[in-house]
Amino acid sequence: AQSVTQLDSQVPVFEEAPVELRCNYSSSVSVYLFWYVQYPNQGLQLLLKYLSGSTLVKGINGFEAEFNKSQTSFHLRKPSVHISDTAEYFCAVSDPPGGGNKLTFGTGTQLKVEL
Amino acid sequence: GAGVSQSPRYKVTKRGQDVALRCDPISGHVSLYWYRQALGQGPEFLTYFNYEAQQDKSGLPNDRFSAERPEGSISTLTIQRTEQRDSAMYRCASSLGTGGGRNEKLFFGSGTQLSVL
Repeated sequence: AQSVTQLDSQVPVFEEAPVELRCNYSSSVSVYLFWYVQYPNQGLQLLLKYLSGSTLVKGINGFEAEFNKSQTSFHLRKPSVHISDTAEYFCAVSDPPGGGNKLTFGTGTQLKVEL
Repeated sequence: GAGVSQSPRYKVTKRGQDVALRCDPISGHVSLYWYRQALGQGPEFLTYFNYEAQQDKSGLPNDRFSAERPEGSISTLTIQRTEQRDSAMYRCASSLGTGGGRNEKLFFGSGTQLSVL
């Protein structure tokens, strides 16, 4: 069975500082990888996804993630965070091609941006 | 509708009662997914439909849980004889297509927070 590990449950960072949220997955087969963001009292929203091709994926709101097959990682980065980035971030994985949107999520990382 | 709509937003029930949670997907979306999210955890897959057909129910915890989507649009997740361990946020999501391909994404609703006393 697939699993996703997000080691950091909380990440505090000052506004305009860079941030990296870590994600590692365990799968012996090729996978699709995703990052979702959850703002308070809202549904999850897709930030970006990796299906194939270039290992550097750019998403919305200035976020990007890099797929590293040898390290089975898909870390999320942003060079300069804003207060509005405060939210919970979930990494997820699915099995192509039939896996579709049946996702296995990590436990989430709470990003808290401070002034 | 403009987004995925779930009702009720909050549901408090007593142990042993049945509950029905409703999901109204984005109009025209073929696939509909149910996830459950316990406090401090990520969402956990329960089941999904393509049109009215239930494609995968491997994530349903036991036979007290069932779901239907009789006309390929609105879906209902039913939990019979609720237990305290069923307390969680139940999230519905929909997607335009069925294959989860490059140009597809899931749209999530705000969820139903179920509390079983």
